[in-house]
This record gives sequence, structure tokens and C-alpha cells, in this order.
Amino acid sequence: GNSVTQMEGPVTLSEEAFLTINCTYTATGYPSLFWYVQYPGEGLQLLLKATKADDKGSNKGFEATYRKETTSFHLEKGSVQVSDSAVYFCALSVGQAGTALIFGKGTTLSVSS
Amino acid sequence: DTAVSQTPKYLVTQMGNDKSIKCEQNLGHDTMYWYKQDSKKFLKIMFSYNNKELIINETVPNRFSPKSPDKAHLNLHINSLELGDSAVYFCASSQGTGGFYEQYFGPGTRLTVT
Repeated sequence: GNSVTQMEGPVTLSEEAFLTINCTYTATGYPSLFWYVQYPGEGLQLLLKATKADDKGSNKGFEATYRKETTSFHLEKGSVQVSDSAVYFCALSVGQAGTALIFGKGTTLSVSS
Repeated sequence: DTAVSQTPKYLVTQMGNDKSIKCEQNLGHDTMYWYKQDSKKFLKIMFSYNNKELIINETVPNRFSPKSPDKAHLNLHINSLELGDSAVYFCASSQGTGGFYEQYFGPGTRLTVT
């Protein structure tokens, strides 16, 4: 079946530290991969996506590269800010008809100044 | 302008009651979804509609009934509410049903059953 595994949180960092959140997936087809972010009390927002192998998604200083050989889509940011504190979800979708997102369990990031 | 809106934002009710959550999107999208987020923040698909037709119906108790009166609206009706239904329910929409389409999420409805 299709599934996503994310590193367990919480992740606690100081401002300007380097961030990596690991994400690996299992898929029966050829998935598209996404990172969504949920700020406290809000809905989910798309952070970045990649739809084919070796694609790099990037947004707001965050990056993730679709690695088919390692079935991974790790999220990175070179210098985190307090405002990046949120829950980050890795997700995939496969197929054409009626595709839903399959989410990892989420990783809580807390950045202190 | 809110792209995907949900009402109400908070819903507190007693066991056994029937309640509805409404969702509207003004993005012109064809596909809409309901997701449930549990207390550990795990998100799972419940339903998906494309052009008012049901296309995904995950293993959800039949006390949950989605209704799509038009492409812009997808409502969720829940009968005989149980304690385990307490969660945050998110509506989402996308331009199409292909896996590469981004989904846009509403702000969520926090349902508390007492």
C-alpha cells in the first residue's frame, strides 16, 4: 500500500539553526510528493511539492528533493526563524482518479530566539 | 477573499446529537475533500467528490454523510454523534483529481462531543 513515514518530533532548534525533517515513502505507483505546514490554530498550507524524480521543490527558504532511489523527500532549511514554528506534514498522492493525500504523522518544530 | 471556508469553526455538542459542517470554495475547483485530524494530529481522508460525484469513500461509519449540492460546496452531516467523533475536520479542494494537483485547505472545524 501507500504510506509516509516522518521523523518523530518535537524538533527544538535555536534561531538560525539548520533544519532537516526526514520523510520516506512507500507507493504502489509513481507518486507526487508534498510538504504541508500547519501553523497553530490554522489549516494546512502547501509549502512545496515535487511531481517527478530529481525535482526540487522550494519555497520560503525550504527545499526538498524527490529521491526515487531512496524513496525520500527530506525537508531542509538553512536558517530557521521563530516564525517557522509549526507542524510539518509530508504527504503523497498516487494515481489519477479521486486522488487523496496520504499524510505522515507530522513533525512539530519549535524555534526559540 | 477566503479560498476555502468552513462553518462553524468550533462545534460543541452532546452525544447522540446530529450536526452539520459546511464547506465552500471560491477557487472554481472541481474536486473537494473531507479530512479528519485526530488528537495526535494525524490526518486521514474521509471523502472526496468530483463534480458533485462521490469518488472516495474511506472506511467511515455510515453516520457520516457528505452532500455536494454544487461544485463549490461540500457539506458533512454527522448523525448520532459519539465521543470518538471529536476531532478537527478539514475541507479541501483541488483543480482536478490527478495526484499532482495541489489541495487547498480550509481553516478546520473543531468538533467536541461531550
